[in-house]
Amino acid sequence: GESVGLHLPTLSVQEGDNSIINCAYSNSASDYFIWYKQESGKGPQFIIDIRSNMDKRQGQRVTVLLNKTVKHLSLQIAATQPGDSAVYFCAETGSSNTGKLIFGQGTTLQVKP
Amino acid sequence: GAVVSQHPSRVICKSGTSVKIECRSLDFQATTMFWYRQFPKKSLMLMATSNEGSKATYEQGVEKDKFLINHASLTLSTLTVTSAHPEDSSFYICSAEKRAPYEQYFGPGTRLTVT
Repeated sequence: GESVGLHLPTLSVQEGDNSIINCAYSNSASDYFIWYKQESGKGPQFIIDIRSNMDKRQGQRVTVLLNKTVKHLSLQIAATQPGDSAVYFCAETGSSNTGKLIFGQGTTLQVKP
Repeated sequence: GAVVSQHPSRVICKSGTSVKIECRSLDFQATTMFWYRQFPKKSLMLMATSNEGSKATYEQGVEKDKFLINHASLTLSTLTVTSAHPEDSSFYICSAEKRAPYEQYFGPGTRLTVT
C-alpha cells in the first residue's frame, strides 16, 4: 500500500545548530508534500509545503528539499531553538485526488539547550 | 486565519457508552473535513472523510457503524464513538479543508479514554 516513512525516529540537536529531518515517500504520483509540526497533546501545525514541480522551497528558518528521483523529502531548520522541539511529520497526497493526505511515521526533534 | 476547534479536548467515558466529538471551523466554511486517529508515539491514521450534506467516506478497516460521522453544516462535523471500549481510547484529530484540496487545518485533538 501507499506509505510515507521517515528514516530516523528521534533527532537530537544542540540549540543553535541546524536540523535536517528526512522523509522517504513511496508514491511517485504524489504531487504535493507538506511538513507538519506536532507538539505534545496538540494537533499538527503546517510548516511548509512543496509541489512536485519544485526542488526547493524556503520559508522563515525552514527549507524543504524534494528529490523526486529517489523519492526523498527533507526539512531543514536553521538555528534550531528549544521551541522547535516537537514531532515532525511529512505528508504526501498519494495517487488519489480526494484531498486525503498520507502521513509518515514522524521524527521527534529534541533540542538541547 | 484558519482556526479549527474540537470539543471536548478530553473525555473519559465508561465502556459501553457513546461519546460525541465536535469539530468546528471557526472562521471559514469547510465542505470537507477529515477525522484522524493517533496512538501514542505513532502517526496520524485517516479514519474517514466527512462531506457536508452527504455520507462520510470511511477508510478500509474503519467500522462505520462504530464511528458515526455527521457533517451537518459547513462549519461542523461530529464523530460519535458508539459503544466505546478501552481499545477505542486514543487521540482523535479532525482537520478542515479550507479552499484548495490538501489545504487542511487541524484541530487541537480530543483525548478519549474509555474505562
